[in-house]
Amino acid sequence: GENVEQHPSTLSVQEGDSAVIKCTYSDSASNYFPWYKQELGKGPQLIIDIRSNVGEKKDQRIAVTLNKTAKHFSLHITETQPEDSAVYFCAPRPPYNQGGKLIFGQGTELSVKP
Amino acid sequence: NAGVTQTPKFRVLKTGQSMTLLCAQDMNHEYMYWYRQDPGMGLRLIHYSVGEGTTAKGEVPDGYNVSRLKKQNFLLGLESAAPSQTSVYFCASRATSGGGEQFFGPGTRLTVL
Repeated sequence: GENVEQHPSTLSVQEGDSAVIKCTYSDSASNYFPWYKQELGKGPQLIIDIRSNVGEKKDQRIAVTLNKTAKHFSLHITETQPEDSAVYFCAPRPPYNQGGKLIFGQGTELSVKP
Repeated sequence: NAGVTQTPKFRVLKTGQSMTLLCAQDMNHEYMYWYRQDPGMGLRLIHYSVGEGTTAKGEVPDGYNVSRLKKQNFLLGLESAAPSQTSVYFCASRATSGGGEQFFGPGTRLTVL
C-alpha cells in the first residue's frame, strides 16, 4: 500500500512570504496528486490537484509541482495571507485503487502571521 | 445544493453505548466514505461504498459497521462505543467520472467517556 509523509508538520510564515509543503509517497504507480485544505472546524476541501502526465500546475497564488522520479510533490503558496492559515493534506492515489480511496498524509499546519 | 451533510454535529456517549452517524449527499455521487481524524494522524478511512447496497472495509474498520441502503445516505454505526473511538468523523462523497475530488461534510465530534 501507499506510504505518505508530509514535511514540515508545522510551518509559520509572515504575511506576504511564500510557503512550501512537501509530500513524499512510496507507490510509483500513483498517478493522481491532490492537496486538500482544512480550515478550523470544517471538513477538508480540494484546492489543487495534478495528474502524472503534468509536471506543474498553477491556480492564482497556489501551485503544485511533481517529481515522479523522486516520488514527491509539493504545494507552493505565494504572497501568503492570514486566510491561508489552515491544515494542508496531500493524498496521492494509484490507478488500481478500488473506489477512488485516498491515503492522506499527516497534515501540515500553516500559520500566516500578519 | 446542500452538498454533504452530517448528523449529529456533536455527541457524547458512555462506554458500551451504541449510536449511528448519518451522512447525506445531494450530488448523486456513487462513492461515499467515512473517515476518522485524530490529532497528528491525518484522516484515516474506516469504510467506503462504491454504490447503493455496497460497502467495503477501509484502513481502520474494527468496531464500526456501515450501511448504504439509499444512494444518497451512508450510515456509520458504533455497536459498543469505546474511549478509543473518541474522534472527529468525516463523511465524503465522489462522482465516478471526472476528477478525483472528494467532497467532505462538516464533521461529527464524538466523545466516548
